[in-house]
Amino acid sequence: SQKIEQNSEALNIQEGKTATLTCNYTNYSPAYLQWYRQDPGRGPVFLLLIRENEKEKRKERLKVTFDTTLKQSLFHITASQPADSATYLCALDSNYQLIWGAGTKLIIKP
Amino acid sequence: SQTIHQWPATLVQPVGSPLSLECTVEGTSNPNLYWYRQAAGRGLQLLFYSVGIGQISSEVPQNLSASRPQDRQFILSSKKLLLSDSGFYLCAGNWETEAFFGQGTRLTVV
Repeated sequence: SQKIEQNSEALNIQEGKTATLTCNYTNYSPAYLQWYRQDPGRGPVFLLLIRENEKEKRKERLKVTFDTTLKQSLFHITASQPADSATYLCALDSNYQLIWGAGTKLIIKP
Repeated sequence: SQTIHQWPATLVQPVGSPLSLECTVEGTSNPNLYWYRQAAGRGLQLLFYSVGIGQISSEVPQNLSASRPQDRQFILSSKKLLLSDSGFYLCAGNWETEAFFGQGTRLTVV
């Protein structure tokens, strides 16, 4: 069956450093992959989309890579700030819907 | 821009009572619409999706039902709530790629 894995443990990063989150998937070949941010008690908010034929996508301090051979996406936040603390989810397309990872909680310490 | 309106934000209901959560879409027509449930610290569990008026597909057998009486309206219902129906419910819309979420409803069944 299709499976998406994200680090279940919280990731603690010192302010100013680069945070890197991982999304691995199996048994699937998605046309694109997305990353979302979710704050406590709120719905996820779209951040970035990367297509299967793209290696890397950037948006301000965010960078996403997509390796279809490794079946992995990496999500980077450079110059991290305490305001970046949240849970980050990856999602893959599957026909009519998105398949979601459980998310990784990121904590940026001042 | 597309906006998902979902209410109420919080709801406390007794076991055996009915439920009706409403979701409306602003800014686009004929979206795919979804109801998700999210347990604390867990990923998004797809409950129902709809590709058009009157078209509902259920992903998980449960005590809930969904309806889409209008293109931009999606309703989650239950005739008799169970304790296990407690959770965080999210309505989402999908236009080609990225998903847009409502604010979520925290349902507590007591």
